[in-house]
Amino acid sequence: DGGITQSPKYLFRKEGQNVTLSCEQNLNHDAMYWYRQDPGQGLRLIYYSQIVNDFQKGDIAEGYSVSREKKESFPLTVTSAQKNPTAFYLCASGLAGGAGDTQYFGPGTRLTVL
Amino acid sequence: GQQLNQSPQSMFIQEGEDVSMNCTSSSIFNTWLWYKQDPGEGPVLLIALYKAGELTSNGRLTAQFGITRKDSFLNISASIPSDVGIYFCAGQWAGANSKLTFGKGITLSVRP
Repeated sequence: DGGITQSPKYLFRKEGQNVTLSCEQNLNHDAMYWYRQDPGQGLRLIYYSQIVNDFQKGDIAEGYSVSREKKESFPLTVTSAQKNPTAFYLCASGLAGGAGDTQYFGPGTRLTVL
Repeated sequence: GQQLNQSPQSMFIQEGEDVSMNCTSSSIFNTWLWYKQDPGEGPVLLIALYKAGELTSNGRLTAQFGITRKDSFLNISASIPSDVGIYFCAGQWAGANSKLTFGKGITLSVRP
């Protein structure tokens, strides 16, 4: 089946540790995105990539890093520099350019910092 | 950045009723998207709209791209309990190289 997978579903981290969230898609989409969702808020863009080996900062990139070595994969690292990392993280993909930047989401990873 | 306004934050309806939600902006948008999110899951795309005035249906759902390009509406007819969830609108602003902007969502509750 075509789709977007994120793993793990739940992740716990101690303060001061880096952690990497996985995102894979087999939709042959060029563009991939990472969002953060907090209760009562809309989705906020962390990073996005429109092509392999290239990515741009979104609205809240501080404390996060990404890589895009393969078209199918866009992992997100939450570093110890991120001051409030507990949140629900959503990965999305879509066709770069084209009509409207329509995006399709994965199931999400809930990160809790202990 | 651009903002999308969705209100109220929560809506409560009786099973079988119709419900309408809207999403507004002070800026012109090229694309309007409607998503539904179940608790603990990722948003699922319901309807995508790409042209001013466009009216599109998906089962009991109907959405319209406002003629002014500053708003969009989602209607759900004959609601059922599984319609419960958070409904987000999203849009792509008409400015160059813009990414999607999301509303804060409306939480819909359906009483049996």
